[in-house]
Amino acid sequence: GAVVSQHPSRVICKSGTSVKIECRSLDFQATTMFWYRQFPKQSLMLMATSNEGSKATYEQGVEKDKFLINHASLTLSTLTVTSAHPEDSSFYICSARGFQTQYFGPGTRLLVL
Amino acid sequence: DAKTTQPPSMDCAEGRAANLPCNHSTISGNEYVYWYRQIHSQGPQYIIHGLKNNETNEMASLIITEDRKSSTLILPHATLRDTAVYYCIAAPRDDKIIFGKGTRLHILP
Repeated sequence: GAVVSQHPSRVICKSGTSVKIECRSLDFQATTMFWYRQFPKQSLMLMATSNEGSKATYEQGVEKDKFLINHASLTLSTLTVTSAHPEDSSFYICSARGFQTQYFGPGTRLLVL
Repeated sequence: DAKTTQPPSMDCAEGRAANLPCNHSTISGNEYVYWYRQIHSQGPQYIIHGLKNNETNEMASLIITEDRKSSTLILPHATLRDTAVYYCIAAPRDDKIIFGKGTRLHILP
């Protein structure tokens, strides 16, 4: 149980385009989901917390207009990287709060050319 | 959330028990100790968590000292597939998980 999926697993896009990443909790409902980013050889950095039906809460230094988060249902949250630039290339990981703890998705590797 | 301190890296022979220490000397009474691991290029995997009692599941055992200022994650029979970065986190239940640098565990054949 407690499976979280992400789609796509990897994406390559041109600079200036927008990319949407989906995060789904497959066998449980999650009122709260989280988005993290991880650069090579670094730890995971929390970007934002999303609650179903309300606006996301962003961590300090994360641009809310660039990283749009929508948590429209109890099993789906989406992260849209708008006007992506090469410096946005990273490993994006979502997490869903389940029974007793957070469960993480497999990650999405974004490469912006 | 309380800060945790872990050694940056450790080695363990395959088949032996891997004991990963974590210091959380400023932990609050309502903070749990969580352990996750991240195998290369994958999302973190939940291992175990506890408040003050020792815990065991199919993956590992968690030993928390009586004063709760430190803990040890034990992988009883390490295999090559246990090679990963292991994160110890202290946080209240239902709070967000903030990752530190973790311990890079190398299992040696």
